[in-house]
Amino acid sequence: QSVLTQPPSVSGAPGQRVTISCTGSSSNIGAGYDVHWHQQLPGTAPKLLIYDNSNRPSGVPDRFSGSKSGTSASLAIAGLQAEDEADYYCQSYDSSLSYVFGTGTKVTVL
Amino acid sequence: QITLKESGPTLLKPTQTLTLTCTFSGFSLTTSGVGVGWIRQPPGKALEWLALIYWNDDKRYSPSLKSRLTITKDTSKNQVVLTMTNMDPVDTATYYCARGYSSSSNLDYWGQGTLVTVSS
Repeated sequence: QSVLTQPPSVSGAPGQRVTISCTGSSSNIGAGYDVHWHQQLPGTAPKLLIYDNSNRPSGVPDRFSGSKSGTSASLAIAGLQAEDEADYYCQSYDSSLSYVFGTGTKVTVL
Repeated sequence: QITLKESGPTLLKPTQTLTLTCTFSGFSLTTSGVGVGWIRQPPGKALEWLALIYWNDDKRYSPSLKSRLTITKDTSKNQVVLTMTNMDPVDTATYYCARGYSSSSNLDYWGQGTLVTVSS
């Protein structure tokens, strides 16, 4: 029941830049609600990566950046590293008073 | 240091009720704006938000599961409990709890998760 749409997978060589899109609607991202991104390394719990569209929690490398425009948001990973291989989920809030997650994107480092 | 940990049964039979407990430390659910929520993830699938309770006992539920869910808190024990009725094999998933806020919808700290299997 994911409300936010992400590409199933993206890949890139070490050092490259990759971006992940997150498309919502006028009842969530387009309504002005903030977008957050979570990183889930294989076999582990999700971890907050970006909050309030573009802010990084302490300890998150500045290679990770987020942006939001209209009904969509994006996560960019610059200088891709092997340790970035993980699943990434966008997350926001909806006018139905519920939290919503994206469909998830698997990032593969070639 | 902020930590959250989920506990509960690992195996249930169809139609049974699931009761999960999230025990947390490093913050208080009496602090204005703070909340604790539940999220699940079926094997190999995406995250799905279930419910969240705020410091003031305001509660939010997933619209699609609202009829089956109840979330409560015990601030004296630093615990949040989620019950889900009428469990089905499709409810097999890893269940996570996480801290949230009323001022922002981000979930900043997550528990390690607990796998619940529903099978006859």
